[in-house]
Amino acid sequence: AQSVSQHNHHVILSEAASLELGCNYSYGGTVNLFWYVQYPGQHLQLLLKYFSGDPLVKGIKGFEAEFIKSKFSFNLRKPSVQWSDTAEYFCASRGGSYIPTFGRGTSLIVHP
Amino acid sequence: GAGVSQSPSNKVTEKGKDVELRCDPISGHTALYWYRQRLGQGLEFLIYFQGNSAPDKSGLPSDRFSAERTGESVSTLTIQRTQQEDSAVYLCASSPQGAGANVLTFGAGSRLTVL
Repeated sequence: AQSVSQHNHHVILSEAASLELGCNYSYGGTVNLFWYVQYPGQHLQLLLKYFSGDPLVKGIKGFEAEFIKSKFSFNLRKPSVQWSDTAEYFCASRGGSYIPTFGRGTSLIVHP
Repeated sequence: GAGVSQSPSNKVTEKGKDVELRCDPISGHTALYWYRQRLGQGLEFLIYFQGNSAPDKSGLPSDRFSAERTGESVSTLTIQRTQQEDSAVYLCASSPQGAGANVLTFGAGSRLTVL
């Protein structure tokens, strides 16, 4: 079975700090990768996705992620976080089936 | 509708009772997924529908769990003889065919509490 590991379960930052959330996936074939975000009181929504091509993908609100195939990683980054980035972040992979597999999630709290 | 609708948003029930959770996907979305999220855990896959057939039921945790879908529309997740470990947020998501098939649109979830 496929798995997705998110190593940081809780992250606390001050505004303007840089962010990197780790994500590793297990599927060894062609894979689609995603980051979803859930802001307080809101639905899970797509932040960014990687299907093919440029391994550095840009998402909404200044987020980006880099696909490194050799490391089975898809880490999420943002150079300068804002208080409004406080949310739960989920990494997901989809390969070989129709079923996206999600990680445990990372809770990010940004202090103003 | 404009988004994925789930009902009820909150359900408190006694152990041993049956519950039904409903999901109304985005119109035209052929694929529908149910996930479960227990407190402090990730999203646990339950079942996937393509149209009204369920090619993958591998995530249903026991025979107390069942789901059905009417055409490419509403889906119902039924939990019989609920147990305390069934307490979780049950999330429904849908996706279209074609290029958008990889991106899921989620509902707000149904929070189930079993006393």
